[in-house]
Amino acid sequence: GENVEQHPSTLSVQEGDSAVIKCTYSDSASNYFPWYKQELGKGPQLIIDIRSNVGEKKDQRIAVTLNKTAKHFSLHITETQPEDSAVYFCAATFGSARQLTFGSGTQLTVLP
Amino acid sequence: DAGVTQSPTHLIKTRGQQVTLRCSPKSGHDTVSWYQQALGQGPQFIFQYYEEEERQRGNFPDRFSGHQFPNYSSELNVNALLLGDSALYLCASSLMEGVGQPQHFGDGTRLSIL
Repeated sequence: GENVEQHPSTLSVQEGDSAVIKCTYSDSASNYFPWYKQELGKGPQLIIDIRSNVGEKKDQRIAVTLNKTAKHFSLHITETQPEDSAVYFCAATFGSARQLTFGSGTQLTVLP
Repeated sequence: DAGVTQSPTHLIKTRGQQVTLRCSPKSGHDTVSWYQQALGQGPQFIFQYYEEEERQRGNFPDRFSGHQFPNYSSELNVNALLLGDSALYLCASSLMEGVGQPQHFGDGTRLSIL
């Protein structure tokens, strides 16, 4: 079945440094790849997404890259701030399915 | 512009009981999906409702059922509760038209089974 693997499971960076989280997916028919940020006691918040016809997308300090050949996509956060500390999830939809399959999450800690 | 709202925020039940969780989608959205998130894991898809019908279903038993109302709001029902049903239940809303429509989540209902 569809599978999304996410690495690393935990990531600590110094404030101002960059953070990179990587995900791989199993089905080459995947066409939509969102990233969510989840803070304690809250639901996942959509922070950026990319579709399969685009290789890169950027929104201020956040960017996502997609490599369809290698079936992996990555989240890049530059100039990290303490408020970026949260759990980040990648996800993917497969083929005509509209359900999201999530990765296992990355706990990002930004140290002041 | 109200986002996705879920009620209640917390719920405690005992094994064998039944529970109903409620969701109001983001204004303008017509599709509601439900997810179960166990502690320390990513959300798992339960099912999706559009035009008051279940359109897709994940790998969950028939004890999990749902409903969508004409105003697009939705309910998730779980019968014969098991200890393993303890989790955060998330509702997400989106538009059905087009593939890869963004899904926006509520803050969930934390269900604890004793």
